[in-house]
Amino acid sequence: QQQVKQSPQSLIVQKGGISIINCAYENTAFDYFPWYQQFPGKGPALLIAIRPDVSEKKEGRFTISFNKSAKQFSLHIMDSQPGDSATYFCAASIGDSWGKLQFGAGTQVVVTP
Amino acid sequence: SQTIHQWPATLVQPVGSPLSLECTVEGTSNPNLYWYRQAAGRGLQLLFYSVGIGQISSEVPQNLSASRPQDRQFILSSKKLLLSDSGFYLCASTTSSRYEQYFGPGTRLTVT
Repeated sequence: QQQVKQSPQSLIVQKGGISIINCAYENTAFDYFPWYQQFPGKGPALLIAIRPDVSEKKEGRFTISFNKSAKQFSLHIMDSQPGDSATYFCAASIGDSWGKLQFGAGTQVVVTP
Repeated sequence: SQTIHQWPATLVQPVGSPLSLECTVEGTSNPNLYWYRQAAGRGLQLLFYSVGIGQISSEVPQNLSASRPQDRQFILSSKKLLLSDSGFYLCASTTSSRYEQYFGPGTRLTVT
């Protein structure tokens, strides 16, 4: 049973466009929502994370939007670049659960020149 | 900032052979440590986690075991590998906040 559902499975966007990846969760006890970026053959890299007490967090071209009532959060990649082509994973965890992350299935993003 | 080392980077082993993968962490103390497996083109499956020396919790019953002999050392083992054990094995570590989790470079295991 997947506790974090991620969509779309894959995404193609033109250079300069906006990539949007969505995640939904059921467990209202989740209190930490990170996004990871993974290139082929590499370990996932922590990209950006948010807590449920804020609705948006921005770091450079990457923005997380969080909707607590809808139990959804999303990653927006502004001005997408070919170097952003990677697989992106959303995740969620509960503070008192030893940091165990529940991952989404991943979204493969391809940015065309 | 912490650094996570994993070795070997790649490994090809025959079915029935033993396995030992090692993970060491630098730049932090008393981290929570995790082993994940990622099948080709798939998501991450948590296998084991540890909150301290000698403390191991298993998430998925299987052919693997884990040990934590030192504070910043985490080992994944198997006595007899199966074909289904093939995959990309990732070690992860938390910071002192226990929230931020960072991954190592991974070990690509192919069981033949």
